[in-house]
Amino acid sequence: GAGVSQSPSNKVTEKGKDVELRCDPISGHTALYWYRQSLGQGLEFLIYFQGNSAPDKSGLPSDRFSAERTGGSVSTLTIQRTQQEDSAVYLCASSLAFAGGYNEQFFGPGTRLTVL
Amino acid sequence: GENVEQHPSTLSVQEGDSAVIKCTYSDSASNYFPWYKQELGKGPQLIIDIRSNVGEKKDQRIAVTLNKTAKHFSLHITETQPEDSAVYFCAASILPSTLGRLYFGRGTQLTVWP
Repeated sequence: GAGVSQSPSNKVTEKGKDVELRCDPISGHTALYWYRQSLGQGLEFLIYFQGNSAPDKSGLPSDRFSAERTGGSVSTLTIQRTQQEDSAVYLCASSLAFAGGYNEQFFGPGTRLTVL
Repeated sequence: GENVEQHPSTLSVQEGDSAVIKCTYSDSASNYFPWYKQELGKGPQLIIDIRSNVGEKKDQRIAVTLNKTAKHFSLHITETQPEDSAVYFCAASILPSTLGRLYFGRGTQLTVWP
């Protein structure tokens, strides 16, 4: 079936502008995650959504970052007043609930954000 | 929070040789340890995982070992092939309390020379 999709695949913006990144999770997956991958770094957790529960925003680096998930499906990550240090690949992942202590997260291809 | 260290950052091997990547974690409550493979321009893909009630798991040419006492786990790839070339990430999680949040290592760039 269809995997996790993200759009756009690449985004170039100017410092100070706002950007929106979109994630379409696998149908039926209740959990959705956003991660950030900076050059030469591992994946840094940003935010997590599970069903109708309040999201875990503990990984958001500043109040310029926000995310929402509409109707329990599509998610949008918004970065306001972008800075050059926001340049990174933003990855979205989705998964089913933790059946048997197992949590395979399926990742999308990512959005490469470049802030000039 | 959990801190995952991964070594080496780069690894080059000859086709047919074995490759070993090692990770350590800091939180003894971590109980789920997946390994992801990321090819150029793609998102990471799960290749194998292990839970804390198991010491070793094998799937064809790849295996993972876990030492809970020492808080380290390793990925072993035998009979490497050029298509194994990619970035490999280890991760740790505490299920279910951290709601599936994965703490990743910084990755290992594996290059397999033909």
